[in-house]
Amino acid sequence: SQELEQSPQSLIVQEGKNLTINCTSSKTLYGLYWYKQKYGEGLIFLMMLQKGGEEKSHEKITAKLDEKKQQSSLHITASQPSHAGIYLCGADININSGYALNFGKGTSLLVTP
Amino acid sequence: GAVVSQHPSRVICKSGTSVKIECRSLDFQATTMFWYRQFPKQSLMLMATSNEGSKATYEQGVEKDKFLINHASLTLSTLTVTSAHPEDSSFYICSARGGSWNTEAFFGQGTRLTVV
Repeated sequence: SQELEQSPQSLIVQEGKNLTINCTSSKTLYGLYWYKQKYGEGLIFLMMLQKGGEEKSHEKITAKLDEKKQQSSLHITASQPSHAGIYLCGADININSGYALNFGKGTSLLVTP
Repeated sequence: GAVVSQHPSRVICKSGTSVKIECRSLDFQATTMFWYRQFPKQSLMLMATSNEGSKATYEQGVEKDKFLINHASLTLSTLTVTSAHPEDSSFYICSARGGSWNTEAFFGQGTRLTVV
């Protein structure tokens, strides 16, 4: 089965600093998703990447998928307390009834004043 | 984006009773719905996939008689935890897709189940 490894597991940064979260797959990714979760809440969709070398941005968050489509990074510029939460990368896995999203273990981000 | 509503957000039940969790897609038809379980400080574990009008497909290790899933319509799926025990206490999240793979999956707000 496809495994997604995220690093770091947790991150504490000072407000205004930049940070990067990585997601590595054991297999070629055909779709890589980034979600954000506040503890005890649902997931908020951030971005989806499909093509090798693709890069997408939304406000201060940029996600990239490498050319080999096995690694993705999420970069936050000038972090703010509102960026705090758990960031999850996900990829479609083939299951009996079709495809479902499988997730990495997540990266917990805390932004301090 | 599309909205998926999950209800209830929190539930406390006694051991031995059953609990039903609802997942509704409010503004789109969900051809497929997924149920996940999340333990504290861990990622989401896929429990089962349900397609409207057909039986759910359970992941390995998930007891189908314990976690009953019904996908009665294109906008509603339910998860019933039968004869709940304290070890079933967890955070359950549903998600829904209107298309096939490589499309965005929308998530409910989650349900915190506590069995006492």
